[in-house]
Amino acid sequence: DIQMTQSPSSLSASVGDRVTITCRASQSIGNYLNWYQHKSGKAPKVLIYAASSLQSGVPSRFSGSGSGTDFTLTISSLQPEDFATYYCQQSYNAPGTFGQGTKLEIK
Amino acid sequence: EVQLVESGGNLVKPGGSLRLSCAASGFTFDSYTINWVRQAPGEGLEWVSSISGSSRYIYYADSVKGRFTISRDNAKNSVFLQMNSLRAEDTAVYYCAREGGYYYQSSGYYCFDYWGQGTPVTVSS
Repeated sequence: DIQMTQSPSSLSASVGDRVTITCRASQSIGNYLNWYQHKSGKAPKVLIYAASSLQSGVPSRFSGSGSGTDFTLTISSLQPEDFATYYCQQSYNAPGTFGQGTKLEIK
Repeated sequence: EVQLVESGGNLVKPGGSLRLSCAASGFTFDSYTINWVRQAPGEGLEWVSSISGSSRYIYYADSVKGRFTISRDNAKNSVFLQMNSLRAEDTAVYYCAREGGYYYQSSGYYCFDYWGQGTPVTVSS
């Protein structure tokens, strides 16, 4: 199975900050990479698919980039509702493995 | 409106069984692969199993292979996860998620575009 590794595991930031989360795949996955946001007690929500395509309804402050093995999720200006855990997932082949998550906390 | 609602989670003893259900509405159910994903306490998301619209393609994570069985009833817009020989490490919130296909720059991609709220499973004596 393809292993997905995110960094950092946790991150403290303030409202208005620019934040970047990194995801690395154990082999090349092209741009078959999704990003999800998960708040405790809620259903996870897809933010980005195909590494950089914003899912409908997702604010434009979220953006994704990368291809091959290295990917990033960027939040350009953190809002209070963005504090959550973020996961990457490869969709290159089955099973669609997830990264271990990055918990974004308020500083 | 697309909705997925899980049910069936409960407290069960090690070695016991449980059957989870995922009821879907708001889309053409038999056209979509449905997945089960779980989150153990303090852990991240773990993909568990998937079933294609026709039930032709079924996959399991190694951690549950031989113990869990996924199935679906397209007449009832429902997917099921039969969990046998449960272990403490199966304790988690179980989510069902629709696998949506999208085109971007002339290529096809998938993501889990709709999720349920989850149902908790606790395996403990």
